Amino acid sequence: QVQLVQSGGEVEKSGASVKVSCKASGYTFTNYGISWVRQAPGQGLEWMGWISTYNGNTNYAQRLQGRITMTTDTSTSTAYMELRSLISDDTAVYYCARVGRRDSYNRHFDYWGQGTLVTVSS
Amino acid sequence: EIVLTQSPGTLSLSPGERATLSCRASQSVSSTYLAWYQQKPGQPPRLLIYGASNRAAGISDRFSGSGSGTDFTLTISRLEPEDFAVYYCQQYTSLPLTFGGGTKVEIK
Repeated sequence: QVQLVQSGGEVEKSGASVKVSCKASGYTFTNYGISWVRQAPGQGLEWMGWISTYNGNTNYAQRLQGRITMTTDTSTSTAYMELRSLISDDTAVYYCARVGRRDSYNRHFDYWGQGTLVTVSS
Repeated sequence: EIVLTQSPGTLSLSPGERATLSCRASQSVSSTYLAWYQQKPGQPPRLLIYGASNRAAGISDRFSGSGSGTDFTLTISRLEPEDFAVYYCQQYTSLPLTFGGGTKVEIK
């Protein structure tokens, strides 16, 4: 069965960086893209960006440009999201989600990771 | 950026009742690229509907989606206890991908 298993929660200080992993299993990793979505406490869903696991192409949300990097390791079927220069507003649960196309962002998210809580403290 | 506005913010209904949730877009969204998700506390979102009207695998036929252009609707025909949750619409027509603010369906 398809599974996306994310790394554990992190507590970071303002200005630091965090890297969250998302290990996929149960399907061919390079046949589907990965998007990252975050959810601040008590708030809605915010799309952060997308990566093609096929060719490494990325699209990032404009407001995160310059602070975010998405990568993949196809040998371990793992996607990564790194966010730098953390601020308190980055405190949120971060989700990876499978995108139903390998080479484009415009598909629905059919499977989601369990979420990773990132807490930014001052 | 396409802004999605969901209404109402909260829907108070009893089990067995019909729920009608609205998602309005600030500009036209191809119906091919509109999805609905359900989220329960402490859980990730779950895909319900994609392409505006296609049920995802394993989703009950109590859930149906409709609409086109800028107006989309999620209907839950008869609410079961497990349906009380928050529902989000999402467009994936153009970047940035966006979600609506959510509709909470609560027990009356």
